Amino acid sequence: AQSVTQLDSQVPVFEEAPVELRCNYSSSVSVYLFWYVQYPNQGLQLLLKYLSGSTLVKGINGFEAEFNKSQTSFHLRKPSVHISDTAEYFCAVSRSGTASKLTFGTGTRLQVTL
Amino acid sequence: SQTIHQWPATLVQPVGSPLSLECTVEGTSNPNLYWYRQAAGRGLQLLFYSVGIGQISSEVPQNLSASRPQDRQFILSSKKLLLSDSGFYLCASATGFDNSPLHFGNGTRLTVT
Repeated sequence: AQSVTQLDSQVPVFEEAPVELRCNYSSSVSVYLFWYVQYPNQGLQLLLKYLSGSTLVKGINGFEAEFNKSQTSFHLRKPSVHISDTAEYFCAVSRSGTASKLTFGTGTRLQVTL
Repeated sequence: SQTIHQWPATLVQPVGSPLSLECTVEGTSNPNLYWYRQAAGRGLQLLFYSVGIGQISSEVPQNLSASRPQDRQFILSSKKLLLSDSGFYLCASATGFDNSPLHFGNGTRLTVT
């Protein structure tokens, strides 16, 4: 079975500052990795995904993530955040071959302030 | 692209009452369908998934059940709600191909009082 750990429940950051949201996973088999964003009282929207190939993945809204197999990590980064990036961010993993059956982390609340 | 409709958006129900949440999908056929629950301060927990009409798999033992009467319709039900059933319920859909990500509806916030 897979598991996901998001080390920070909340990350406060000032607008235009860089941010990194951490995600570590555990699995005994090959995995797919995802980051989703959830705005208040809404469903989740896919930010980016890693299936194979280049370990640096670029997503929507200027976000990117890097798959590090040796450290079993998939941290999400953005060089300059905006107020509108305030949301809950979820890291998720699935076993290769079952991309839509996800195990989610507990989420990180990104709070961007002026 | 897929669009997932969920209703109602919010629901307040007394303990012991029945529940029916509906989800319909547009823009794809024969999708895999999922019900997730998000409890306060916790991640998303997969409750049920379905790969076709009448085919339901339960991921965790609980007070809820799911049904799929039509290809793009997925229903979450309970005969008698418990306080612990409160949460944010999300329906999701995927095309079923290996690298197909999940698409989510906007969710139903259920409060059991």
